[in-house]
Amino acid sequence: EIVLTQSPGTLSLSPGERATLSCRASQSVSSSYLAWYQQKPGQAPRLLIYGASSRATGIPDRFSGSGSGTDFTLTISRLEPEDFAVYYCQQYGSSRALTFGGGTKVEIK
Amino acid sequence: QVQLVQSGAEVKKPGASVKVSCKASGYTFTSYDINWVRQATGQGLEWMGWMNPNSGNTGYAQKFQGRVTMTRNTSISTAYMELSSLRSEDTAVYYCARATRIAASLHLYYYYMDVWGKGTTVTVSS
Repeated sequence: EIVLTQSPGTLSLSPGERATLSCRASQSVSSSYLAWYQQKPGQAPRLLIYGASSRATGIPDRFSGSGSGTDFTLTISRLEPEDFAVYYCQQYGSSRALTFGGGTKVEIK
Repeated sequence: QVQLVQSGAEVKKPGASVKVSCKASGYTFTSYDINWVRQATGQGLEWMGWMNPNSGNTGYAQKFQGRVTMTRNTSISTAYMELSSLRSEDTAVYYCARATRIAASLHLYYYYMDVWGKGTTVTVSS
């Protein structure tokens, strides 16, 4: 089973700052099967990025994804107040099994 | 609009079973996988398994093999997740999510969960 490790666990930033979130896989992952989700308290996760770098419908362009192989990054270019949340990466692998990273919390500094 | 509506909160005793429903609307139910994901309070997301509503084929995370069953009723566009032999550690919010699988290129596909239900709280307590 592929393990996804997200870092840092918590990111303390101010609105307007740039956020860089990392997702590292224990073995190589197909970029097409790497997605990112945002979750706010009391809400279901929301798809942000699929295929490592494609924004989902309605997602602002301040969100971008990159990476390949074992290292993937979610970047929020300028944090808006509504962006403070928990972010998860997810991969879809062999045998149609999915795994999630442990999450990165982006909090207001 | 496209949505998944889940059944209401459940309280169960240890050893019992729970069955959560997920009703789809606004799209062709049989054209997309349904995945189930759970989240204990203050914890991360945990994938439980998938079901293809067209064929009924399923795949479960190893952790839940033998305890989880995913089924569907296509006539009412509803998916179900049943978890048996409940224990306190199964207390969590359970989400269903629609999974889209589309071609990225000739031999590559995208697979992602783009529509989520609001979640069903399952509490296991004696």
